[in-house]
Amino acid sequence: AQTVTQSQPEMSVQEAETVTLSCTYDTSESDYYLFWYKQPPSRQMILVIRQEAYKQQNATENRFSVNFQKAAKSFSLKISDSQLGDAAMYFCAYKVSYDKVIFGPGTSLSVIP
Amino acid sequence: DTGVSQDPRHKITKRGQNVTFRCDPISEHNRLYWYRQTLGQGPEFLTYFQNEAQLEKSRLLSDRFSAERPKGSFSTLEIQRTEQGDSAMYLCASSPTGLLTNEQFFGPGTRLTVL
Repeated sequence: AQTVTQSQPEMSVQEAETVTLSCTYDTSESDYYLFWYKQPPSRQMILVIRQEAYKQQNATENRFSVNFQKAAKSFSLKISDSQLGDAAMYFCAYKVSYDKVIFGPGTSLSVIP
Repeated sequence: DTGVSQDPRHKITKRGQNVTFRCDPISEHNRLYWYRQTLGQGPEFLTYFQNEAQLEKSRLLSDRFSAERPKGSFSTLEIQRTEQGDSAMYLCASSPTGLLTNEQFFGPGTRLTVL
């Protein structure tokens, strides 16, 4: 069964600093997709970044980047130059093709001014 | 607004009552998904449709739950004889079936409180 684990229920970061959120997953598939979603207090789920498993290059979106280690089944999110608006729940997620998304339990990120 | 919309945003009901939620996906998105999210947890898959066909149902979807997408556009999720354990946020998402993306676009959710 596919599972997604986030071992950090809560994290905090000083404004303008860098923080890394951890995620591991378990799958027997070779082709899949990994995502980081952000859910601010208003609870609208927003896609932050996406990684295709067949791509070796780590995805980057502005201040957000991932460290994808396929053999270790690890998919961490790095947020650089943290801003107050980055405060939210962050969910690591996995899916195969057009199948359902499997979410981790989430990491609550606080940004300290 | 061309995003996924859900109605109502909040619903408070008494135990034993029936409730129905509606989801309008992004226009021309063939796939539509329902998830349930309890406080402090990640969303859990309930069911999904491709056009009007319901392709998969989670074991979380008991007999009291039913979902429809009659014309392949909007979808409804009905919960009969609600229980306090049904209190949660119900999220809808949609995605296209082309090969350009595997992203699911989420709506704002319907928060259900069962008293």
